[in-house]
Amino acid sequence: AQSVAQPEDQVNVAEGNPLTVKCTYSVSGNPYLFWYVQYPNRGLQFLLKYITGDNLVKGSYGFEAEFNKSQTSFHLKKPSALVSDSALYFCAVRPMEYGNKLVFGAGTILRVKS
Amino acid sequence: GAGVSQSPRYKVAKRGQDVALRCDPISGHVSLFWYQQALGQGPEFLTYFQNEAQLDKSGLPSDRFFAERPEGSVSTLKIQRTQQEDSAVYLCASTPGHSSTEAFFGQGTRLTVV
Repeated sequence: AQSVAQPEDQVNVAEGNPLTVKCTYSVSGNPYLFWYVQYPNRGLQFLLKYITGDNLVKGSYGFEAEFNKSQTSFHLKKPSALVSDSALYFCAVRPMEYGNKLVFGAGTILRVKS
Repeated sequence: GAGVSQSPRYKVAKRGQDVALRCDPISGHVSLFWYQQALGQGPEFLTYFQNEAQLDKSGLPSDRFFAERPEGSVSTLKIQRTQQEDSAVYLCASTPGHSSTEAFFGQGTRLTVV
């Protein structure tokens, strides 16, 4: 069965420090990988995706993610966190043999303190 | 509007009542998805349309759930005889084409069954 794990319910980081939000997946084949962010009372917003190619993917708002096939991980990173980055982050995979649907992790709350 | 629009934003239903949730996708978007997001969880796939054709309804939890998109644009998710376990946020997403990788999400409808 396809699954996505976000092992941390919450990540706390000081403003200006680097941040990492972890994601691992269990899917057969070569899935597409995504990160979405959800602010209170707002819909999911696309941050970045990995399809193929360079393992380091750059996205919106200075975020990037590193794909590691051997570890089946797709961790979200940012070199310098902002208070405004505080939100709920979801990792998702699109298993190619199961059509276009996304399989989401449970989400990680990111809190950036000034 | 420019984005995916869902209505109502909030719905309170008495147990046993039927509800209908509406999704207006981005104009011209071919693919439309419904997801269910329980409190503290990631979104879970319910069903997928390509134009007016419902190509995947494997995620619908029971035969009380029914979705339609008769003209290939607006979609309605109907839940009959609502139960407390149906309480969740229902998210709609659309993509320009069936092979598109980025999904655009609406703000969701928060359904509370009392």
